[in-house]
Amino acid sequence: LAKTTQPISMDSYEGQEVNITCSHNNIATNDYITWYQQFPSQGPRFIIQGYKTKVTNEVASLFIPADRKSSTLSLPRVSLSDTAVYYCLVVFGSSASKIIFGSGTRLSIRP
Amino acid sequence: KAGVTQTPRYLIKTRGQQVTLSCSPISGHRSVSWYQQTPGQGLQFLFEYFSETQRNKGNFPGRFSGRQFSNSRSEMNVSTLELGDSALYLCASSLAGQSSGNTIYFGEGSWLTVV
Repeated sequence: LAKTTQPISMDSYEGQEVNITCSHNNIATNDYITWYQQFPSQGPRFIIQGYKTKVTNEVASLFIPADRKSSTLSLPRVSLSDTAVYYCLVVFGSSASKIIFGSGTRLSIRP
Repeated sequence: KAGVTQTPRYLIKTRGQQVTLSCSPISGHRSVSWYQQTPGQGLQFLFEYFSETQRNKGNFPGRFSGRQFSNSRSEMNVSTLELGDSALYLCASSLAGQSSGNTIYFGEGSWLTVV
């Protein structure tokens, strides 16, 4: 059964690096992992997407180990405005028959 | 470049009524998908349309339906509304569909309250 698992919540402080992990069993060779950020009353906003090893953009990095059973979203030097819920998304299978969102991680950043 | 646009943003309906929600995808995107978000169940996939054809469907009852027009705009309909249908309904679009590797972009959602 395809499933993604994330921690329910995390706390950190401004200026720190935050790492949020998503576990995804039964992931296939060609399945991508995507991370979204969601603020209250808004739709999820795309952060980063990856397939293997490491991907970096202007706001985050995504680390995917060789076994691909998990992935880690890394947010460098967080600020108060990074307080949000973060979701991982895995589309299991090329036919998109299994579109599974994680339950979300509520990240709280303190001054 | 305009993002995914959903209308209406907020609406209140009575049990037993039906509702239609509208979504305009990002220009050039041919895939539109719909999600339901509730505090208890999180984000759940409803269905996906590509070139006016439903390609994938989540585990929702037949009261939930949708369609896509030739200009890629999409509507979803919920008939015989129940209190449990109160949720944020999110529309997302992508270039070529929700197969792995295609980035999905979300709209701001339509808040439905059933009373």
